[in-house]
Amino acid sequence: QVQLVESGGGVVQPGGSLRLSCAASGFDFSNADMHWVRQAPGKGLEWLAYIRFDGSDKSYEKSVKGRFTISRDNSQNTLYLEMNSLRAEDTALFYCAKGRRPNYFDNWGQGTLVTVSS
Amino acid sequence: EIVLTQSPATLSLSPGERATLSCRASQSLSTYLAWYQQKPGQAPRLLIYDASNRAPGVPARFSGSGSGTDFTLTISSLEPDDFAVYYCQKRSDWPPAWTFGQGTKVEIK
Repeated sequence: QVQLVESGGGVVQPGGSLRLSCAASGFDFSNADMHWVRQAPGKGLEWLAYIRFDGSDKSYEKSVKGRFTISRDNSQNTLYLEMNSLRAEDTALFYCAKGRRPNYFDNWGQGTLVTVSS
Repeated sequence: EIVLTQSPATLSLSPGERATLSCRASQSLSTYLAWYQQKPGQAPRLLIYDASNRAPGVPARFSGSGSGTDFTLTISSLEPDDFAVYYCQKRSDWPPAWTFGQGTKVEIK
């Protein structure tokens, strides 16, 4: 079955960087659009970034554009999120999600926690 | 930018009761709207897509309706497992962006 396993979260100082990974299995990753979605503690869901199945198109939520970069390695069935210039308000549980083309998310990982704090 | 507004914020009901959740869009979405369920400590789960289509494995007591700017998720008879937070979600065409409502918590009365 579809499995998405995020990793790479942790505690980082404001202004720091972190790279998240999402290992995918159980489906044709190279043919799947992928996303990152986050959830701040006690808050709702916030979509962050999208990447087309072949990596040819990307889109970002306004508050992370220019700071976060989504990428993928289809040979390794892995999705990435490079995060720079992290702020306290970026503290959240970060989920990777498989896109149900073109509008929705049909499978989610369990998330990796990022805490931005000095 | 299309904004999704969910109501009520919290719905207090007893098992067996009917739950009616609302999601209102600031502009017409046609029928491109989804609903997700999130239980504490778990990832969200797709319940309904294209406003009224149940995702695989979703029980028939969950139904979605609506078009344009007003959408509804109905749980016909609440089971203990249904007490959770529910989010609506849509995609904007340009620039491509995906947006969630703020959520409705269905709690046990």
